[in-house]
Amino acid sequence: AQKITQTQPGMFVQEKEAVTLDCTYDTSDQSYGLFWYKQPSSGEMIFLIYQGSYDEQNATEGRYSLNFQKARKSANLVISASQLGDSAMYFCAMREAMNRDDKIIFGKGTRLHILP
Amino acid sequence: DAGVTQSPTHLIKTRGQQVTLRCSPISGHKSVSWYQQVLGQGPQFIFQYYEKEERGRGNFPDRFSARQFPNYSSELNVNALLLGDSALYLCASSPRGNTEAFFGQGTRLTVV
Repeated sequence: AQKITQTQPGMFVQEKEAVTLDCTYDTSDQSYGLFWYKQPSSGEMIFLIYQGSYDEQNATEGRYSLNFQKARKSANLVISASQLGDSAMYFCAMREAMNRDDKIIFGKGTRLHILP
Repeated sequence: DAGVTQSPTHLIKTRGQQVTLRCSPISGHKSVSWYQQVLGQGPQFIFQYYEKEERGRGNFPDRFSARQFPNYSSELNVNALLLGDSALYLCASSPRGNTEAFFGQGTRLTVV
């Protein structure tokens, strides 16, 4: 069963607008972590933001915030005031604490295009 | 502070050859994981090492092996290369546990 679902293969957004990238997850573990990564065409996987399952506040990092809705198993990434440099592939990912190996499971990604 | 570093950045190999990829984690991080990312997909977990011990292996054949050294750096070896092994290989380091994980820039392997 797919554990991370990103339903938007691609998105086009006007520069300076806010963007919401959708992510839903599936786990039976009570303790887990959720990640968002940005991957530009260079290939490097850039860490953006992390949310622990027991964190009561939504995580924020600069222009990035994670809209964590635990009951809905949703972890959407919000980018405020988008910039041309935000054009990239974005991956939602999860790590379950019950896994001894700390493996991270990735979604298929959303390609974001910021239009000038 | 130096991030996760991987070498080489690009590599071209012939079918049947063997390849070794290298990774140096962030200073202080004892956990290193390897991922394979084929074009158009998200990364897939290959191995995780912590304190030189293999903690997990993904669904990859025995041609894939890895090890971690006392300084926590790691090598990924792939034997008898196939065309399908062409991918971006990413290394991630983390301090352990359910926390952030940071990736290197990757090694792009092309098998011809």
